[in-house]
Amino acid sequence: AQSVTQLGSHVSVSEGALVLLRCNYSSSVPPYLFWYVQYPNQGLQLLLKYTSAATLVKGINGFEAEFKKSETSFHLTKPSAHMSDAAEYFCAVSDQGGGAQKLVFGQGTRLTINP
Amino acid sequence: DGGITQSPKYLFRKEGQNVTLSCEQNLNHDAMYWYRQDPGQGLRLIYYSQIVNDFQKGDIAEGYSVSREKKESFPLTVTSAQKNPTAFYLCASTPFGAGGNIQYFGAGTRLSVL
Repeated sequence: AQSVTQLGSHVSVSEGALVLLRCNYSSSVPPYLFWYVQYPNQGLQLLLKYTSAATLVKGINGFEAEFKKSETSFHLTKPSAHMSDAAEYFCAVSDQGGGAQKLVFGQGTRLTINP
Repeated sequence: DGGITQSPKYLFRKEGQNVTLSCEQNLNHDAMYWYRQDPGQGLRLIYYSQIVNDFQKGDIAEGYSVSREKKESFPLTVTSAQKNPTAFYLCASTPFGAGGNIQYFGAGTRLSVL
């Protein structure tokens, strides 16, 4: 069975500081990995995804994530935090090659940006 | 604009009542999903459907029912058997095809119990 663990339910950084949100996954087959962002009372929006092409994936709003198979990790980073980055972030994994794909989500990390 | 529309945005349920949450998409996607979101628990899959007139249970299907009579519509009914229905409900869709397809989400329905 697949699973996702996000380390830290709440992360707080200063504006302009590095953002690092941690995600570790468990999958018996090569995974597809996703990071989604959710603003209050809204749906989820895709930030980026890994589908076995490049291990360093660039997404929207300056975010990127690196797939490390040896560490079963897919941590999300952004060099310089902006106030608009305050939101909840979800890491998700899927191992289905096609058709309907069931995503398994982590419990989420709430990111707070301090002025 | 293409997208997923969920309605209503807020819904209140009385004791013993069934309520239905609407999800409509105009993205021509084949697969649709319902998730439940509780604070600190991420999203959990309730039901999903790959094609019209076919659907499968997810991880927490008890107390819920769905139908898929049209490709663009996937309503979720929260029945009186669901004893703890208060949550944020999200609908999503994705096209068939190669792996790694993105799931697109609606804006959600927040359900509360009166």
